[in-house]
Amino acid sequence: QVQLQESGPGLGKPSETLSLTCTVSGGSFSSSNYYWGWIRQPPGKGLEWIGSMYYSGSTYYNPSLKSRVTISADTSKNQFSLRLSSVTAADTAVYYCARTSLLGDWYFDLWGRGTLVTVSS
Amino acid sequence: QTVVTQEPSFSVSPGGTVTLTCGLSSGSVSTSYYPSWYQQTPGQAPRTLIYSTNTRSSGVPDRFSGSILGNKAALTITGAQADDESDYYCVLYMGSGISIFGGGTKLTVL
Repeated sequence: QVQLQESGPGLGKPSETLSLTCTVSGGSFSSSNYYWGWIRQPPGKGLEWIGSMYYSGSTYYNPSLKSRVTISADTSKNQFSLRLSSVTAADTAVYYCARTSLLGDWYFDLWGRGTLVTVSS
Repeated sequence: QTVVTQEPSFSVSPGGTVTLTCGLSSGSVSTSYYPSWYQQTPGQAPRTLIYSTNTRSSGVPDRFSGSILGNKAALTITGAQADDESDYYCVLYMGSGISIFGGGTKLTVL
């Protein structure tokens, strides 16, 4: 079955750019039925949608993060990535990649296990 | 700015029934927002429970059900069990590719 796996540095410094990659295995990123995106959860807090992208390249971002977020894909590797610039300690969180189903509805139907990113000097 | 509201916490007795709600800071929730619900236990990724208001995800017990109650989306757990003690999040689709999470409800079964 399709699985998602996040990867990337677990530690970053303030003002730097956070970069994470999600690898799609057991299925194709280039499916017209799904969006692919990122969700995060600061320690002890709730979930926050960061943004999503369609295989064609269309992107959609949380307005509160839009100025700092880029989501892109490498279809040859069946991967998509998150870049979050100018990070601060407030960006410390578990970052999940997730698939959004577009099959007549709209919901997150598949999740990665998550990766903790800590922003600290 | 639109805020999706949930009860911060709720408690239910084992075997009891509880209804968690998901509202909007302005306006009413309808099926057009494709309400979905997720369960999360500490240290784990969220698990999809309900989508499109009232469709259970694969493998979800039928004691979990979704609906629209008044002007909110609702998640009802009938016959609560100890392992239902979790955080529950709703998500509303706002259009234009944008989703918003509610703040989550911490459910205690005691």
